[in-house]
Amino acid sequence: AQSVAQPEDQVNVAEGNPLTVKCTYSVSGNPYLFWYVQYPNRGLQFLLKYITGDNLVKGSYGFEAEFNKSQTSFHLKKPSALVSDSALYFCAVRALNAGNNRKLIWGLGTSLAVNP
Amino acid sequence: GAVVSQHPSWVICKSGTSVKIECRSLDFQATTMFWYRQFPKQSLMLMATSNEGSKATYEQGVEKDKFLINHASLTLSTLTVTSAHPEDSSFYICSAGGRGVWYEQYFGPGTRLTVT
Repeated sequence: AQSVAQPEDQVNVAEGNPLTVKCTYSVSGNPYLFWYVQYPNRGLQFLLKYITGDNLVKGSYGFEAEFNKSQTSFHLKKPSALVSDSALYFCAVRALNAGNNRKLIWGLGTSLAVNP
Repeated sequence: GAVVSQHPSWVICKSGTSVKIECRSLDFQATTMFWYRQFPKQSLMLMATSNEGSKATYEQGVEKDKFLINHASLTLSTLTVTSAHPEDSSFYICSAGGRGVWYEQYFGPGTRLTVT
């Protein structure tokens, strides 16, 4: 079965420090991996994706993620956290639904709190 | 670009009534729309995938007759919660793909449904 795990419910970092939000996955075949962010009272926003190519993927708002096939991980990172980065972060992987249509399977989300 | 709207943003209804939620892609044609349900501090639960002009594909455990989905045009999908009960109270989110890359979904801001 295809699945996504985000082992941390919450991550706390100080502003200016690097941040990492962890994600591991289980898929058959080549993984398509995604990160989305949900700010309070706003819709989810696409951050970045890995489909193929370079293992280090750069996305919006200074975020990047590193695909590690051997560890089946796709951790989200940012070199210097901002208070405005505080939000709920979701990792997702492509799967197929009953009609053989593509869909995303979502992790449970990690709440990131950046402290001033 | 890639804006998705939802209407209403919140609704309160009485038990036994039906509620319709609209999801519109404002500046692109969405060949595929997804409907999610999000519980407090929990992940997104995909309810169904709808392709324009065809029947929606529901995820396992989602009642088709209770959650009616219509995707009549490339810019509009609707979710109707029929005979709503308090346990249907939730945050409903739609997303749209189709700008050539289905997996880069664009999310609406969500609709908060409260059934009394």
